[in-house]
Amino acid sequence: GAGVSQSPRYKVAKRGQDVALRCDPISGHVSLFWYQQALGQGPEFLTYFQNEAQLDKSGLPSDRFFAERPEGSVSTLKIQRTQQEDSAVYLCASSLGSGFQPQHFGDGTRLSIL
Amino acid sequence: AQSVTQLDSQVPVFEEAPVELRCNYSSSVSVYLFWYVQYPNQGLQLLLKYLSGSTLVKGINGFEAEFNKSQTSFHLRKPSVHISDTAEYFCAVSVLGGADGLTFGKGTHLIIQP
Repeated sequence: GAGVSQSPRYKVAKRGQDVALRCDPISGHVSLFWYQQALGQGPEFLTYFQNEAQLDKSGLPSDRFFAERPEGSVSTLKIQRTQQEDSAVYLCASSLGSGFQPQHFGDGTRLSIL
Repeated sequence: AQSVTQLDSQVPVFEEAPVELRCNYSSSVSVYLFWYVQYPNQGLQLLLKYLSGSTLVKGINGFEAEFNKSQTSFHLRKPSVHISDTAEYFCAVSVLGGADGLTFGKGTHLIIQP
């Protein structure tokens, strides 16, 4: 497909479990972003990659959150020892390059922690 | 740090009536401005963006927005809405030359009444 693909679309986990969320960006897009969207809120920035380099991770809420993009394409957001407050929609976006390039969003992964 | 305020959490409008969704931002440096639309259970789709130049920008689906630097506003308008415009609308900024992550407002739910 031509768009950003995220999997799974829905994930239910028990508190304390580890989860991994996957993002396939648009082919050729250098920049990749992760956002967290709580219910009824706007997305909040988590982290940013340029190719395989993680240039900004200032938005990651705790050291339980970890993101990687080892080959500069597919990215994985991992959350260890999940807590109820981690329940949210996790959005991935990609763009051709720097800030003026529009970001293209996937449909998100809805994570529910029981 | 920058911030975005969307003053109205919900805006009900009759079909074929005009609408304005308000957005104000705060930043100590120059910014790029964006409006995104989010339909239920989907990611965000770019409506329009302001980078520089003409302060009136036109986007998809008949939407337009005007950048007002003195009032730090970027209000979204449409002269005649349709049922299909029912969605959540998000205003966002990114900082020129800074981290490329977007800062979003909390969103405005546009409700079109027949």
